[in-house]
Amino acid sequence: GAGVSQSPSNKVTEKGKDVELRCDPISGHTALYWYRQSLGQGLEFLIYFQGNSAPDKSGLPSDRFSAERTGGSVSTLTIQRTQQEDSAVYLCASSFNTGPYEQYFGPGTRLTVT
Amino acid sequence: GENVEQHPSTLSVQEGDSAVIKCTYSDSASNYFPWYKQELGKRPQLIIDIRSNVGEKKDQRIAVTLNKTAKHFSLHITETQPEDSAVYFCAASSYNFNKFYFGSGTKLNVKP
Repeated sequence: GAGVSQSPSNKVTEKGKDVELRCDPISGHTALYWYRQSLGQGLEFLIYFQGNSAPDKSGLPSDRFSAERTGGSVSTLTIQRTQQEDSAVYLCASSFNTGPYEQYFGPGTRLTVT
Repeated sequence: GENVEQHPSTLSVQEGDSAVIKCTYSDSASNYFPWYKQELGKRPQLIIDIRSNVGEKKDQRIAVTLNKTAKHFSLHITETQPEDSAVYFCAASSYNFNKFYFGSGTKLNVKP
C-alpha cells in the first residue's frame, strides 16, 4: 500500500511568513510523529499524536509552532512568523500505535527561510 | 525521561571489514530498540530492530545485540559494502513513554 507522504517536498519562504506542512500517514496508523532534522544533524522530536490528540507537545521549539490532526489521519504542522533558524527538513512518521511499534517515515519537507 | 547516546559519530571502514555502532540507554522500561539507516537526501528506513525479550537478532549481514543489564545495544554490519555508507540512528521506545528517543547518529563511510 501507499507509504507516508508529505507535502510540499520543498518550501522556500520569506522570514516572517507563515507556513503549513502536511503529512498523510499510512492508512490505519493511529500514531503520527513530527521530527525536525537540521543539515547533518539528528532527529529532533517535535510532537506526536495518538488519534487526534497530542499528549506530548514538549518538543515544539516555541509557541510559533503548532500542529493538528483531523479524522485520525492527515496532520498539519504550522510555523508562524518563520525565522531563519527554522530552516530544516521536517519529517513525519506514522506507526500502528504509539510505543514500541515500527515507525514509517515520509520523504520530508525541506523548508528554507530566506 | 529516556536518554540515548550513540557512538561513534563517524566511522570509516574498508570494504569487506566489519562495522560496529553502539548505543546506551538510561531507562530500564525501554523494551524496543530499532535501527534506522538514512542515505543522503532520503528518509530514515528501518533496517533491524530488537525487543527486550531477546539478546540478539540477525538478518543476513546485519545483527543487533542487546544487553539489558548494562543498558546497551549494538549494530553489527559484516562484510561491509559501499552501499552501506549512510547515517545510522539507534532509538529506544516503550509503552511507558509512547515515543521514540533517537541517538545522535553515526555516519558510516565504507571505502572501496
